[in-house]
Amino acid sequence: EIVLTQYPATLSLSPGERATLSCRASQSVGTYLAWFQQKPGQAPSLLIHDASIRATGIPARFSGSGSGTDFTLTIDSLGPEDFAVYYCQQRYSWLTFGGGTKVEIK
Amino acid sequence: EVHLVESGGGLVKPGRSLRLSCETSGFTFNIAWMTWVRQAPGKGLECLARIKDITSGGATDYAAPVKGRFTISRDDSKNTVYLQMNSLQTDDTAVYYCTTLDGYGYTRRWGQGTLVTVSS
Repeated sequence: EIVLTQYPATLSLSPGERATLSCRASQSVGTYLAWFQQKPGQAPSLLIHDASIRATGIPARFSGSGSGTDFTLTIDSLGPEDFAVYYCQQRYSWLTFGGGTKVEIK
Repeated sequence: EVHLVESGGGLVKPGRSLRLSCETSGFTFNIAWMTWVRQAPGKGLECLARIKDITSGGATDYAAPVKGRFTISRDDSKNTVYLQMNSLQTDDTAVYYCTTLDGYGYTRRWGQGTLVTVSS
């Protein structure tokens, strides 16, 4: 099973700051990686797929990069609605998720 | 608009069974690949089962922790996917979501989830 490790576990930032979230795979997943946002009491929602392609309706302040084993989700200028938990997901082999990064208000 | 509505969750004793349902609308269900994903309280996400469409033989796949205990199935006439869960254990306690898989292979649309609590 491909294990995804996300870091940091928690990111404390102020509105307007840039968030940089990382996801590392235990083996190469090519660019078969997605990012999700989950708010309390809600299901996850897809932000980015295939490492860097924004899903329909996702604002341009969200961007993804990386390939192989190392991936990054960047959120430029955090809005109040962006404080949430973010998960990466790979589909190279089965479907597995990382443990999540919580972006909280500093 | 796409809708996925899970039902069937609740409190169940260890060793018992439960069947979850996910009724869908707003998309062509009979060509959709579907999954069940769970999230234990305060924990991360785990994909449990996947079912392909009939043109792909309706093939099913399972994660190791549930293989042999859980069965995913579908009824295209009812636009519904099911998860039969047998021999439930306390660590099966979680919110269970059904999802669609998009053309890229990712979990695109999610239901609101149904809570399963396994406790004596």
